[in-house]
Amino acid sequence: DGGITQSPKYLFRKEGQNVTLSCEQNLNHDAMYWYRQDPGQGLRLIYYSQIVNDFQKGDIAEGYSVSREKKESFPLTVTSAQKNPTAFYLCASSHRGFRSSPLHFGNGTRLTVT
Amino acid sequence: RKEVEQDPGPFNVPEGATVAFNCTYSNSASQSFFWYRQDCRKEPKLLMSVYSSGNEDGRFTAQLNRASQYISLLIRDSKLSDSATYLCVVNEPMDSNYQLIWGAGTKLIIKP
Repeated sequence: DGGITQSPKYLFRKEGQNVTLSCEQNLNHDAMYWYRQDPGQGLRLIYYSQIVNDFQKGDIAEGYSVSREKKESFPLTVTSAQKNPTAFYLCASSHRGFRSSPLHFGNGTRLTVT
Repeated sequence: RKEVEQDPGPFNVPEGATVAFNCTYSNSASQSFFWYRQDCRKEPKLLMSVYSSGNEDGRFTAQLNRASQYISLLIRDSKLSDSATYLCVVNEPMDSNYQLIWGAGTKLIIKP
């Protein structure tokens, strides 16, 4: 079955360490996204990519980095520059980008930084 | 300022009842609208798109009111399994592209 796989499901890191979250999709979708979800807030866009080797900053890109070397993969690195990295991170993909195509989400990675 | 507002709830509703909640949006140029369902500590899943003329999917009815800038979700004959947080999403133009603006969600609890 096609879908989006995020790993790991839970991740614990010490403050000051970079950490990379994995996201792989086999839906043949062109667009991929990273969101962050905090309690009581709507999803906030970190980065998105509409095509291989191209990506754009979202609303809260500071302290994060991404790459899109393959259509299937869109890893997110949370760097030590991100001031409040503890959150629920969601990767998503869509067929045609934001215009009208709904998003398909992975099951998320819950990152805790102490 | 981009804004999508939802009543956070929780809405406590007896099983079998009908419940409805709204989502207001601030950008009159918004193009498309969606309702997602999110179970506790899980990812959001698309429930339904919202069409201009309103649309129904089984016990769920979604409506759009462009004049007043809100969308609504109505659930009939509610089931225990309907307990979840319902997220409203609005697609609005930004520069030469579009962006999705998410509401913070409305929590629904169906009680036996």
